[in-house]
Amino acid sequence: NAGVTQTPKFRILKIGQSMTLQCAQDMNHNYMYWYRQDPGMGLKLIYYSVGAGITDKGEVPNGYNVSRSTTEDFPLRLELAAPSQTSVYFCASSWTGDQPQHFGDGTRLSIL
Amino acid sequence: KNEVEQSPQNLTAQEGEFITINCSYSVGISALHWLQQHPGGGIVSLFMLSSGKKKHGRLIATINIQEKHSSLHITASHPRDSAVYICAVNSGGSNYKLTFGKGTLLTVNP
Repeated sequence: NAGVTQTPKFRILKIGQSMTLQCAQDMNHNYMYWYRQDPGMGLKLIYYSVGAGITDKGEVPNGYNVSRSTTEDFPLRLELAAPSQTSVYFCASSWTGDQPQHFGDGTRLSIL
Repeated sequence: KNEVEQSPQNLTAQEGEFITINCSYSVGISALHWLQQHPGGGIVSLFMLSSGKKKHGRLIATINIQEKHSSLHITASHPRDSAVYICAVNSGGSNYKLTFGKGTLLTVNP
């Protein structure tokens, strides 16, 4: 079982560049989430999805976009990368909103 | 003030010691989660509980809904227990978003 797979694991971007963080899950989970984790801070929710075609903003959505065309995939798009987006990004999924979440291994992103 | 507060922020123990990590929250919740994150690693869900107590191996989680408090205990601690332990609460509603504490860094020395 692969669970939740995130790619890439590491990436360095220049200010103003764009990129897509990939997230895929093979558990047929309806709910998917994107978080960022900054040093000394709790995880913050960026965007979430309750099913294919349905997405909604979390606490810190500015500078990001998502799409959910299939149950399996939930990519996170960064447009015009800024140094403030340097962080570790985690994707997670769950059967329903009140079930434990399964996390990917994270993507460490640096913007210089 | 963060809605979820954990204490202590850092904890160092000797192998074999009994460990307690605390979590207090200020909002009404439908469930509380304990998660584990090893250095440089991913995040694993340990427990989800809405009342009482749960046990898995050497780990025990308790929650007191009236006092808005939960504890995570580790019995007979081992160096492999060294990790960040994160408390998160689900305040329910239609979106089921989690609010996370900042985590407790546990180091168990041999």
